[in-house]
Amino acid sequence: NAGVTQTPKFRVLKTGQSMTLLCAQDMNHEYMYWYRQDPGMGLRLIHYSVGEGTTAKGEVPDGYNVSRLKKQNFLLGLESAAPSQTSVYFCASSYDGGSTYEQYFGPGTRLTVT
Amino acid sequence: AQSVTQLDSHVSVSEGTPVLLRCNYSSSYSPSLFWYVQHPNKGLQLLLKYTSAATLVKGINGFEAEFKKSETSFHLTKPSAHMSDAAEYFCVVSVYGSGNTPLVFGKGTRLSVIA
Repeated sequence: NAGVTQTPKFRVLKTGQSMTLLCAQDMNHEYMYWYRQDPGMGLRLIHYSVGEGTTAKGEVPDGYNVSRLKKQNFLLGLESAAPSQTSVYFCASSYDGGSTYEQYFGPGTRLTVT
Repeated sequence: AQSVTQLDSHVSVSEGTPVLLRCNYSSSYSPSLFWYVQHPNKGLQLLLKYTSAATLVKGINGFEAEFKKSETSFHLTKPSAHMSDAAEYFCVVSVYGSGNTPLVFGKGTRLSVIA
């Protein structure tokens, strides 16, 4: 099992450019999540999905879009990147949304917007 | 709504001495609580979780945590710190029966271990 993988690992964008981050999991998990991590802020939820074809907003959704066309993939898009979106992005998945189920995390994508 | 407060942003201990990382939570329902660890430039790994069974929870690498409802706390401890324990630790809360509610993370505690 590869677990949760993220592509790419690093990226530098100019302000106004767009990009898509790909998250893939091979554990047949229903739930998938996108977080951003900033110094001193912990992890904050951007968007999440409770199953194929569904998405929902998290704590900090503005400036991001997501899609879950296949159960194993969860895409995070930035339509017009801004310097405030410089961050480390983590994808996670869980078997269920019940509170007893742990989330499994990918290795992260470090994004810099100049 | 639930929330979690990690009381120390940075803790420094000497190798071989005990570790205590403090976490208080707030929840309207019976919570599930987790501790995750993040080593430098790595993803997050689950250390342990409390899900309304035993209040003293044992995790990986010698860590344990005790759920104290009266104090709304879930502090993480280890009897003897090792250099490899140096990392960022996150206390996380989730609410039982809340359906699709994602986890809520604390802001993290950075643990330094001095030789």
